[in-house]
Amino acid sequence: GAGVSQTPSNKVTEKGKYVELRCDPISGHTALYWYRQSLGQGPEFLIYFQGTGAADDSGLPNDRFFAVRPEGSVSTLKIQRTERGDSAVYLCASSPLGGAGDEAFFGQGTRLTVV
Amino acid sequence: AQSVAQPEDQVNVAEGNPLTVKCTYSVSGNPYLFWYVQYPNRGLQFLLKYITGDNLVKGSYGFEAEFNKSQTSFHLKKPSALVSDSALYFCAVRDTGGYQKVTFGTGTKLQVIP
Repeated sequence: GAGVSQTPSNKVTEKGKYVELRCDPISGHTALYWYRQSLGQGPEFLIYFQGTGAADDSGLPNDRFFAVRPEGSVSTLKIQRTERGDSAVYLCASSPLGGAGDEAFFGQGTRLTVV
Repeated sequence: AQSVAQPEDQVNVAEGNPLTVKCTYSVSGNPYLFWYVQYPNRGLQFLLKYITGDNLVKGSYGFEAEFNKSQTSFHLKKPSALVSDSALYFCAVRDTGGYQKVTFGTGTKLQVIP
C-alpha cells in the first residue's frame, strides 16, 4: 500500500481481556517497529523486527506483550490480560532496510483504551 | 543509554518570524539524529536527519537543523514561520554503535500566531 496501515484505529477493551493490534508496513520494507505513545509523551520503543525475526525486543514492558511477524510483512502486537495502564496509542513504523540512518514511516496508530 | 531532551513543552512564534525548537541528546557513541512532526489526527512524519557530514541539514517544508557536537544539540530552525507549521515536533536519536532502538523526546508544541 501507499503507507503504513494500522488496524483497528480505535480499540476499547475491558481490563483482563486479550487484544491484537495489526500493522501492514509499506510493501518491501524489511524493518518494522512498534512504539507506544502515552498522552503528552514521545513514542516509546517496544520492539524491532528485521524480516521475520525480532532483532530487539528490549522495550516490551513485560511478558504480557508479544509481537510476531511470521512472513516478514504484516505484524501483530498481542497484549494479554490488559491493564488500564496499557491505555495508549500504539504506533507502527517501517523502513526499507532498517539501517541505522534510515528514517521510519509511521502509521496513524491504534488508540487502545482499557476500561 | 541514549536520551533526548526537548526543554520546551511549547514554543510560540509570530507568523513570518524565525523559529527554533531545541533538542539536546546523549549517546555513548556517535549519534544519528532525526526530527519528526505530528499534525493533529495524523501519523508522525519525517522532517530531516543528521547522519554525517555537513552540520547544517536541510529538510522538508523549509526546515533545517544544526548539529553541534560540542553542545550535543540538534536544534530545529526555520527562517520564516507559517501558521501551517503549527504542530507537535519530536527530536529522536539513535546510537551508531549498532543499536536499532530510536529514542524520542517528549515533544514540543509549536504554535504559530497569525
